Amino acid sequence: GIQVEQSPPDLILQEGANSTLRCNFSDSVNNLQWFHQNPWGQLINLFYIPSGTKQNGRLSATTVATERYSLLYISSSQTTDSGVYFCAVERTGANSKLTFGKGITLSVRP
Amino acid sequence: DAGVIQSPRHEVTEMGQEVTLRCKPISGHDYLFWYRQTMMRGLELLIYFNNNVPIDDSGMPEDRFSAKMPNASFSTLKIQPSEPRDSAVYFCASTMKGGGIHEQYFGPGTRLTVT
Repeated sequence: GIQVEQSPPDLILQEGANSTLRCNFSDSVNNLQWFHQNPWGQLINLFYIPSGTKQNGRLSATTVATERYSLLYISSSQTTDSGVYFCAVERTGANSKLTFGKGITLSVRP
Repeated sequence: DAGVIQSPRHEVTEMGQEVTLRCKPISGHDYLFWYRQTMMRGLELLIYFNNNVPIDDSGMPEDRFSAKMPNASFSTLKIQPSEPRDSAVYFCASTMKGGGIHEQYFGPGTRLTVT
């Protein structure tokens, strides 16, 4: 099956700092999603981004499908950004089956 | 839209008991997925349905697990008999494969504890 690797595994930031989270995948994909799992366990959709660049407020994401990676940028981080960030991909031809990375645990300190 | 709805949100049961988890997908979505999240294995797909038909159940851990989707707005995941190693958070998700967009939306999850 497809491999999804996220880095770094853990990240500690001071409030206001910027960060970049990375997701590498081992095969061609037709779906890539970034999720934020908040401290209550809820999975929040951040981006649906199989290719290209999108921005939503302080967050933006870029996927370079030909090079099999995606980046999530968080600018001016806030304590509410804390939680686990997951990258999930659907391999081309996998018929909607998402494979998740292990996640990046982000802690933003006040 | 209310999003994906799951019930119960928390379930505590004793080993050997039957457990039934419920899911209502987003209206109009034709795919429904059941995932399980544990510390050891992360998020893993158990089974998914398309137009109420099970398509791939290769992730179902063993015969104690079964899932049904009797209609487009309701699905159940049943564990009988339950075991302590089944303790996990179970998520339901849905999507609509229209226009080539396959974005999945997740419910709030059911936290299952088997003692």
